[in-house]
Amino acid sequence: DAGVIQSPRHEVTEMGQEVTLRCKPISGHNSLFWYRQTMMRGLELLIYFNNNVPIDDSGMPEDRFSAKMPNASFSTLKIQPSEPRDSAVYFCASSASRQGRNIQYFGAGTRLSVL
Amino acid sequence: AQSVTQLGSHVSVSEGALVLLRCNYSSSVPPYLFWYVQYPNQGLQLLLKYTSAATLVKGINGFEAEFKKSETSFHLTKPSAHMSDAAEYFCAVSGDTGRRALTFGSGTRLQVQP
Repeated sequence: DAGVIQSPRHEVTEMGQEVTLRCKPISGHNSLFWYRQTMMRGLELLIYFNNNVPIDDSGMPEDRFSAKMPNASFSTLKIQPSEPRDSAVYFCASSASRQGRNIQYFGAGTRLSVL
Repeated sequence: AQSVTQLGSHVSVSEGALVLLRCNYSSSVPPYLFWYVQYPNQGLQLLLKYTSAATLVKGINGFEAEFKKSETSFHLTKPSAHMSDAAEYFCAVSGDTGRRALTFGSGTRLQVQP
């Protein structure tokens, strides 16, 4: 299995621009998570989906952030408009959420720099 | 609410020495506990997990962790450090049903001196 695939690996953009991060979970996994990693706040959950349905989006910072999962094999995290404080590494993770098997597998991350 | 606290943001050991990374958790339900490792510019890789089957959990690369309910701890150990163990280590907690998302500690950066 190729694992969780995120694209792009690096994104540099200017303040005010729209940014779209993409994630392909491991085939057969039915839960997908978006996390953000910063020096100040560490690793924090943004949103997670179960069977393509958003379950907990309490970590989404504000209305500028949106996430979709149109099917079981693809998810996007969009920031519009982007701001310098959005600069971080964004990780996607997936798991097969059967009871007792909540092991999340992480992608390599997207390093976002907003200038 | 669930949380984890990792004591020590930086730990330095000599090659061949014991590695001990500390993690204490807080959870209102029986927790699932995890240790992940992050190498520079990479994603997180699972080292080991506790899911109530056994209190001593063995993971990859010679690491193990012991769940101690009385101390609400899940410390990570390795008898003999290798240079390749230098990385950042994260302790995390999740529920089973309900909140499946991971709540991470602040991380411990392990340095291994030759």
